Amino acid sequence: LAKTTQPISMDSYEGQEVNITCSHNNIATNDYITWYQQFPSQGPRFIIQGYKTKVTNEVASLFIPADRKSSTLSLPRVSLSDTAVYYCLVGEGHNNAGNMLTFGGGTRLMVKP
Amino acid sequence: GAGVSQSPSNKVTEKGKDVELRCDPISGHTALYWYRQSLGQGLEFLIYFQGNSAPDKSGLPSDRFSAERTGGSVSTLTIQRTQQEDSAVYLCASSVQGAANTEAFFGQGTRLTVV
Repeated sequence: LAKTTQPISMDSYEGQEVNITCSHNNIATNDYITWYQQFPSQGPRFIIQGYKTKVTNEVASLFIPADRKSSTLSLPRVSLSDTAVYYCLVGEGHNNAGNMLTFGGGTRLMVKP
Repeated sequence: GAGVSQSPSNKVTEKGKDVELRCDPISGHTALYWYRQSLGQGLEFLIYFQGNSAPDKSGLPSDRFSAERTGGSVSTLTIQRTQQEDSAVYLCASSVQGAANTEAFFGQGTRLTVV
């Protein structure tokens, strides 16, 4: 699996847009990019997934440049409830030989009033 | 049930005792994962099941840890002769198939405290 690197922590204020970038220089052709969110005392929750270009859902947008060596999770107009740890995962689409969900350290986002 | 269910939600045990943690995945999900998360830390992978077999058990920290899955459904994580360093939240997740392009659903976890 491609190793990922993301900032340990970020601070923001309510109403701001937050962009969290993840580096995955060794991403393989078949790898997808997935982001999970984890609130304290809860299990992680899937936010968004993409392969290339841009993906948007009701929660966030995911921007992936042409070389796919990085990706940026964009959270529009954050609120206090967006305070959480955000994990970037990179893994192959179809492979029954091993674990497809390897979590790194994540980015701890603190949203302030 | 609608989601992944783990039991018990909290477990306090004495050092040296054995514990069993249970995970009920979402019906029809063939892939099942166990993770461990210490306070303030990231998720540590333990084991992955595809159906009843475990193609990847590389994360089990010692031979005191074992896991099984029966009927392609319920999984049990067993920790023998518990130690204080085993104290953590144990999380289970399931997905339709063991592929990175399918969403994984996590349970609420079992908080294990070894005293």
